[in-house]
Amino acid sequence: GAVVSQHPSWVICKSGTSVKIECRSLDFQATTMFWYRQFPKQSLMLMATSNEGSKATYEQGVEKDKFLINHASLTLSTLTVTSAHPEDSSFYICSASQVEVDRGRWGQPQHFGDGTRLSIL
Amino acid sequence: EDQVTQSPEALRLQEGESSSLNCSYTVSGLRGLFWYRQDPGKGPEFLFTLYSAGEEKEKERLKATLTKKESFLHITAPKPEDSATYLCAVQYTNAGKSTFGDGTTLTVKP
Repeated sequence: GAVVSQHPSWVICKSGTSVKIECRSLDFQATTMFWYRQFPKQSLMLMATSNEGSKATYEQGVEKDKFLINHASLTLSTLTVTSAHPEDSSFYICSASQVEVDRGRWGQPQHFGDGTRLSIL
Repeated sequence: EDQVTQSPEALRLQEGESSSLNCSYTVSGLRGLFWYRQDPGKGPEFLFTLYSAGEEKEKERLKATLTKKESFLHITAPKPEDSATYLCAVQYTNAGKSTFGDGTTLTVKP
């Protein structure tokens, strides 16, 4: 159980184009999804927290207009990298938390997708 | 500022040589401490959740324990397939997000 699917797993595109990454929770409802960026041999850097039906909360230093996040349903969140440039090349990972009645929203682990390797030429 | 510190940064073991990874945290009002395993080029895989001091969780060769200030991930008689980066994360009280440590990269040689 608790499977998260992320698509695509790998994308190469030209500078200036926009890229959309999808994150789906396949067997549970996720009220909260998270988007991370990971540089080689470094830990996860949280970009934003996405709650179903509301605007995403971005971490300090993350450009809202560059990284558009939509969480339209309990099973789908998308990250769109707009007008991507070579410096946006990275490994992007999403995660989702499911809600349990006894603990509410908090105290739940995150379940991660397998990441998207984005390369901007 | 809330911090999560993992040590050592890297650990090399011979197959069968047991050891422990450490995760210390300075988060008040712990909601949950999580251990994950990450293989190269993949997203982290959830292993354990610990909620209160004294709690222990076990899965195959891995055992996670929790005190008021730190958690240990004990690896008993590791195998080469246990080689991975192990991440520790702590959840705040007032938000669903977690603070991640930098991870311990474990290499088990046959």
